[in-house]
Amino acid sequence: DAGVTQSPTHLIKTRGQQVTLRCSPKSGHDTVSWYQQALGQGPQFIFQYYEEEERQRGNFPDRFSGHQFPNYSSELNVNALLLGDSALYLCASSLGGTDQPQHFGDGTRLSIL
Amino acid sequence: DQQVKQNSPSLSVQEGRISILNCDYTNSMFDYFLWYKKYPAEGPTFLISISSIKDKNEDGRFTVFLNKSAKHLSLHIVPSQPGDSAVYFCAATEIYQGGSEKLVFGKGTKLTVNP
Repeated sequence: DAGVTQSPTHLIKTRGQQVTLRCSPKSGHDTVSWYQQALGQGPQFIFQYYEEEERQRGNFPDRFSGHQFPNYSSELNVNALLLGDSALYLCASSLGGTDQPQHFGDGTRLSIL
Repeated sequence: DQQVKQNSPSLSVQEGRISILNCDYTNSMFDYFLWYKKYPAEGPTFLISISSIKDKNEDGRFTVFLNKSAKHLSLHIVPSQPGDSAVYFCAATEIYQGGSEKLVFGKGTKLTVNP
């Protein structure tokens, strides 16, 4: 039973560039959430997708956008990258409408030069 | 304003003893609380959870206690093992209209269990 998978594992970009991160949810899960974890901090909620729509959004600028596909996989896009966007980006999946916990992938480490 | 606080950045205990990790929250709308464990280079792994209608939940060596009046929860690990050494995150959820939920995390406590 495959868990949450994220790609790529590491990425290096320069300021002003754009990046796309990908996530495949755990089998049977239909809801995907994205989090940003800066060094020494806990994960911060970016947004959540359910039925291909953004259902909830955290305190992140519009440079952060996402998409969910019919197979429940998801992408996180970040435009006009800033040095402060350097972080670990975590994807979590869950089954909507239940109190089952979110399951996390191992994340994508994004470094901005 | 941090809604979930883990005031101890680190904790060191001896193998076989009890580890107690603490967490405080400020948002009274939180109704579900979780603990995650994180090893380096891995994502957070779900450990145990508790609903706001309960005050205790136990799973093997792990027990979570919730004191709603104090807005405080704690994770007890008995007995502690060297493999428990990791960063532990406390998280809370608030269910929004439409059924969505977001996890609000503390900054984590690094637990070291010494052999």
